[in-house]
Amino acid sequence: DGGITQSPKYLFRKEGQNVTLSCEQNLNHDAMYWYRQDPGQGLRLIYYSQIVNDFQKGDIAEGYSVSREKKESFPLTVTSAQKNPTAFYLCASGPRGGGQPQHFGDGTRLSIL
Amino acid sequence: KQEVTQIPAALSVPEGENLVLNCSFTDSAIYNLQWFRQDPGKGLTSLLLIQSSQREQTSGRLNASLDKSSGRSTLYIAASQPGDSATYLCATDSNYQLIWGAGTKLIIKP
Repeated sequence: DGGITQSPKYLFRKEGQNVTLSCEQNLNHDAMYWYRQDPGQGLRLIYYSQIVNDFQKGDIAEGYSVSREKKESFPLTVTSAQKNPTAFYLCASGPRGGGQPQHFGDGTRLSIL
Repeated sequence: KQEVTQIPAALSVPEGENLVLNCSFTDSAIYNLQWFRQDPGKGLTSLLLIQSSQREQTSGRLNASLDKSSGRSTLYIAASQPGDSATYLCATDSNYQLIWGAGTKLIIKP
């Protein structure tokens, strides 16, 4: 079955540490997205990529980095510069250009140790 | 800048009732509006997508309407069931980016 796989499900970060969240899709979608979800707030876009080897900052990109070396993969690194990383992180994919429903992974919950 | 608001933040109703969830947006220049469902600790599942030229979409017991001029969308759930308990989010699609409401947490009591 096609879908999006995020790993790990839970992740703990020590102060000063970079951590990487994995997102893999086998839906043959060109576009991939990373969102952050905090309690009581809507999803906020961190980064998105419409095509391999290209990505754009979203509304809250500071303290995060991404790469898009393969169509199937869009890993997100939460760097030590992100001072408030505790949140639920969701990866999504969809056809390039938007306008169609995005498909979501089951998320990664990141906490600070 | 587009802002999307969902009221109420939480709703609890007895099983079997028909109910309406509300979504409002400030900028009517949207490509479409989407409704999603999120179960606790999970990702989102797309429910309905209404194109800007459409007035409504239906899927089973769900019906979503769109009124661009008033900046509102509603999600109607008929004959609610305990399995409908989840958080429902709406999002507008503007310039290929989704702008999200904070969601309505729905609890259906058996």
